[in-house]
Amino acid sequence: GDSVTQMEGPVTLSEEAFLTINCTYTATGYPSLFWYVQYPGEGLQLLLKATKADDKGSNKGFEATYRKETTSFHLEKGSVQVSDSAVYFCALRQAGTALIFGKGTTLSVSS
Amino acid sequence: DVKVTQSSRYLVKRTGEKVFLECVQDMDHENMFWYRQDPGLGLRLIYFSYDVKMKEKGDIPEGYSVSREKKERFSLILESASTNQTSMYLCASREGNTEAFFGQGTRLTVV
Repeated sequence: GDSVTQMEGPVTLSEEAFLTINCTYTATGYPSLFWYVQYPGEGLQLLLKATKADDKGSNKGFEATYRKETTSFHLEKGSVQVSDSAVYFCALRQAGTALIFGKGTTLSVSS
Repeated sequence: DVKVTQSSRYLVKRTGEKVFLECVQDMDHENMFWYRQDPGLGLRLIYFSYDVKMKEKGDIPEGYSVSREKKERFSLILESASTNQTSMYLCASREGNTEAFFGQGTRLTVV
């Protein structure tokens, strides 16, 4: 079945460092891809999404590009802030079905 | 603003108790979902519902049941709580193939 694999954390960075969180997927057809973020004590929020190959999703300085040839959707940010400390989940969804999540990557940013 | 509300943030129950976790959404969404979140395992789908009185099993339905008597409310039921059901439970709702919105989660401890 479909699945999502993302890099294990925790990822520890200093403020203003460059962030990459790797995500690859296995799926039939053409799923939509998502990054969700979970701040401490809260539920998940959609960070960005891409619905077809070569689409780039972006929000709050984060970006990810849907790469069908490498089945990847890596999350990047050029300069992280302390407030970006959270758990990040990569997910995919086939039309009409539920989200399938990766295991999550914890990001910790220090000043 | 879109809202998915879970009735309790924290819950402590005894082994063998029948436990109800409630979720209400105010967006008139057709689809509702229950996930559990465990460290190192990410989010796993328990049950989902695409209409009133309709339900489908997810990846880990054993030990759980659900009820959807009204469109806005989706209840997760632990028929006889066990310690291995100690977890964070997240409810989500979605209209069609649009973005899923999550509640803040219920952290359930079974003692």
